Amino acid sequence: SYELTQPPSVSVSPGQTASITCSGDNLGDKFVCWYQQRPGQSPVLVIYQDRKRPSGIPERFSGSNSGNTATLTISGTQAMDEAAYYCQAWDSNIVLFGGGTKLTVL
Amino acid sequence: QVQLQESGPGLVKPSETLSLSCTVSGDSITSNFWSWVRQPPGKGLEWIGYIYYSGNTNYSPSLYGRVTISEDTSKNQFSLKLRSVTAADTAIYYCARTLKGGSTSSTYYYYMDVWGRGTTVTVSS
Repeated sequence: SYELTQPPSVSVSPGQTASITCSGDNLGDKFVCWYQQRPGQSPVLVIYQDRKRPSGIPERFSGSNSGNTATLTISGTQAMDEAAYYCQAWDSNIVLFGGGTKLTVL
Repeated sequence: QVQLQESGPGLVKPSETLSLSCTVSGDSITSNFWSWVRQPPGKGLEWIGYIYYSGNTNYSPSLYGRVTISEDTSKNQFSLKLRSVTAADTAIYYCARTLKGGSTSSTYYYYMDVWGRGTTVTVSS
């Protein structure tokens, strides 16, 4: 079965760029979206169709997807961006989530 | 503005059936796809399944055989039933509007753009 793999944790200093990866076989052939989940809150869609931002999502969030890896990039990371981030794709009629990455803003 | 609200018992006994409803406002459940997603304590998100286009369903293989998603268009609600629950089914259960893009089966993609607040279900005797 298809799997999406994320690093459990990523750390970044305020104002720097954070990159969170999501890996899967030929993931670049699929479309990926990303969710942010702050503690105690519901997930929020931050990127869909690899690189599109929903209305209301800051421009510092961007996405890319090529080869076996999709990447969520947060430029000028702020303290409020500290959260868990999940990638999601669709394969063989199944919605798949990555295991999630905890982003710590130090 | 689309809003979703989960409702149902917070405690279910082992071997019984978990039943939840999701009430949708601001959109019709006869449009789009509507998903259930769960999150065990301290763990990641798990897709349960979705309902679409007047009663068609698709379920996660890991739960297939125990899960049923149905709809009540008169109430603009969709529901989840999970049978024979165990402690492993303890989780926060979310409902979410699910949008579909792409024009062919090789280019389809799905994403959840609006989520409910979630409801905690504990399986315990």
